[in-house]
Amino acid sequence: DIQMTQSPSSLPASLGDRVTITCRASQDIGNYLRWFQQKPGKSPRLMIYGATNLANGVPSRFSGSRSGSDYSLTINSLESEDMAIYYCLQHNEYPYTFGAGTKLELK
Amino acid sequence: QVKLLQSGAALVKPGDSVKMSCKASGYTFTDYIIHWVKQSHGKSLEWIGYINPYSGGTNYNEKFKSKATLTVDKSSSTAYMEFSRLTSEDSAIYYCAKRFAYWGQGTLVTVSS
Repeated sequence: DIQMTQSPSSLPASLGDRVTITCRASQDIGNYLRWFQQKPGKSPRLMIYGATNLANGVPSRFSGSRSGSDYSLTINSLESEDMAIYYCLQHNEYPYTFGAGTKLELK
Repeated sequence: QVKLLQSGAALVKPGDSVKMSCKASGYTFTDYIIHWVKQSHGKSLEWIGYINPYSGGTNYNEKFKSKATLTVDKSSSTAYMEFSRLTSEDSAIYYCAKRFAYWGQGTLVTVSS
């Protein structure tokens, strides 16, 4: 199975900060990488697909990028509504696998 | 608009089975596969498998192959997942999702005697 190593597991940040979360794939997954946001008691919400494409309705302060086997989610100018857990998902090869999650919280 | 409405929470005994549903609306049900995802309490997400509503074809994560059975009822645009021989490890929230862009609200399954 492809391992998605996500870091950091916890990310304290202040409002207005620029933050970056990373997932490293253990094998080539091309751009078959998605990012999700999950708030307590809610279902995951798709934020980024195809590694770099913003999903419908997602604010432009979110962006995705790729460097080799490292995939990053960046949030510019953090807002309070962005506090959540973020997960990556590789869907290039079965079984699809998720990262362990990054909890973004206020410092 | 696209909606996936899942069945309510279930409390089941160890060794029993549970069957949960995911009713789709707002799109042509047979045009898109439905994925199922497990989330244990406070933990990450695990892909269980998918079903193609048009053909009934399935693809399971090997980890869940002997545990989960995916089916659909095209007439009611509903996907089902049955989990068998339940243990405490199966206590979790189970989600259905269309292309991972639309998610159901989740079904909480609690396994307890």
